[in-house]
Amino acid sequence: DQQVKQNSPSLSVQEGRISILNCDYTNSMFDYFLWYKKYPAEGPTFLISISSIKDKNEDGRFTVFLNKSAKHLSLHIVPSQPGDSAVYFCAARAAGTYKYIFGTGTRLKVLA
Amino acid sequence: GAVVSQHPSWVICKSGTSVKIECRSLDFQATTMFWYRQFPKQSLMLMATSNEGSKATYEQGVEKDKFLINHASLTLSTLTVTSAHPEDSSFYICSARGQGTEQETQYFGPGTRLLVL
Repeated sequence: DQQVKQNSPSLSVQEGRISILNCDYTNSMFDYFLWYKKYPAEGPTFLISISSIKDKNEDGRFTVFLNKSAKHLSLHIVPSQPGDSAVYFCAARAAGTYKYIFGTGTRLKVLA
Repeated sequence: GAVVSQHPSWVICKSGTSVKIECRSLDFQATTMFWYRQFPKQSLMLMATSNEGSKATYEQGVEKDKFLINHASLTLSTLTVTSAHPEDSSFYICSARGQGTEQETQYFGPGTRLLVL
């Protein structure tokens, strides 16, 4: 039972344009969400997070939006750069725990 | 800050042998460390959670006698794959959270690729 889903396995975007990566979840007990970036054969690197009490968090080129009623979050990267090409994982944490549930990842390719 | 290292970065071993993977927090004290496993093109699957000085908590379906976890200090956790078999070949990643870091965030090591022949 996949509680965190990233339905798009891959995404290609032109350099300078916006990249939008989506993530859906099923467990209403999740209260904290994170996005990680991962290169092949490396560990994930933390990008940005959002608490369930917010609907938006912004950090430079990265913005995460949370729609609790739809159980959906998205990561916006603007402007996209070739160095952003990687696999992006969303992760969710249930209230009262420190366990993350990861999505299956979306491979972003930013074309120069 | 919040750097986590793993050693070795890759290992090849014969079937039936045991392999130890180390996870270290370099610039903070890790009160909790996590061990994940990732198969090709799949998500990271949590194997176990370990708190310093106590026994690890394993996820359902993970054999605790197969995957021995020790978290002896606030900067070191080890995962030992005992009697490894080819199906144990995978990418193993640790993460840590703790004092001096953003408490809500786990910081990941670079991973260890294990190949069992």
